[in-house]
Amino acid sequence: QIQLVQSGPELKKPGESLKISCKASGYTFTDYAMQWVKQAPGKGLQYMGWINTQTGKPTYADDFKERFVFSLETSASTAYLQINNLKNEDTATYFCARGTLFAYWGQGTLVTVSS
Amino acid sequence: DVVMTQTPVSLPVSLGGQASISCRSSQSLVHSNGNTYLHWYLQKPGQSPQLLIYRVSNRFSGVPDRFSGSGSGTDFTLKISRVEPEDLGDYYCLQSTHFPYTFGAGTKLELK
Repeated sequence: QIQLVQSGPELKKPGESLKISCKASGYTFTDYAMQWVKQAPGKGLQYMGWINTQTGKPTYADDFKERFVFSLETSASTAYLQINNLKNEDTATYFCARGTLFAYWGQGTLVTVSS
Repeated sequence: DVVMTQTPVSLPVSLGGQASISCRSSQSLVHSNGNTYLHWYLQKPGQSPQLLIYRVSNRFSGVPDRFSGSGSGTDFTLKISRVEPEDLGDYYCLQSTHFPYTFGAGTKLELK
């Protein structure tokens, strides 16, 4: 069955960096784009952007152009979200989702940024 | 960016009753290829969102026929008939016609 399995929760200090993984299984990884979505505590869903799993080219929504990096390890069917220079407002759950329909979602990775 | 205005914010329902959620976009969601990329998701407490309806009116695999989507252009509706306990949670619309894709703010379906 199709699954997206994300890495575990993170507790970081402001200014640090982190990298979240999203491992896909049950389908051909390069057949579908990978999307990234942020959900702050108690808030709605915010679209971050996507990565082309065939070319590796990322495309970011405006709010996520500065400190956020999407990448791939195609041989491992894994997508990554790196966040640099973490800020308190990055505290959120981050989801990966498959394709233009967002048909399958990872379980989410909770990131807590606190000094 | 396309603004998705989703109403109501909260929707109290009775089990077995009907619910209707509206999503309006600030511009037409008809893509140059003729498709309309408006989708609906349910996020149950503590879970990831799950796709219910894609491209306005197509039920995703395994979604009961109690869920139906309709609309065109800028005005879209999700209807849930015979509400069951597992239908409770937060509903979101998403447009993926125009980049950046945008979500509605959500509707909390709760028991009356």
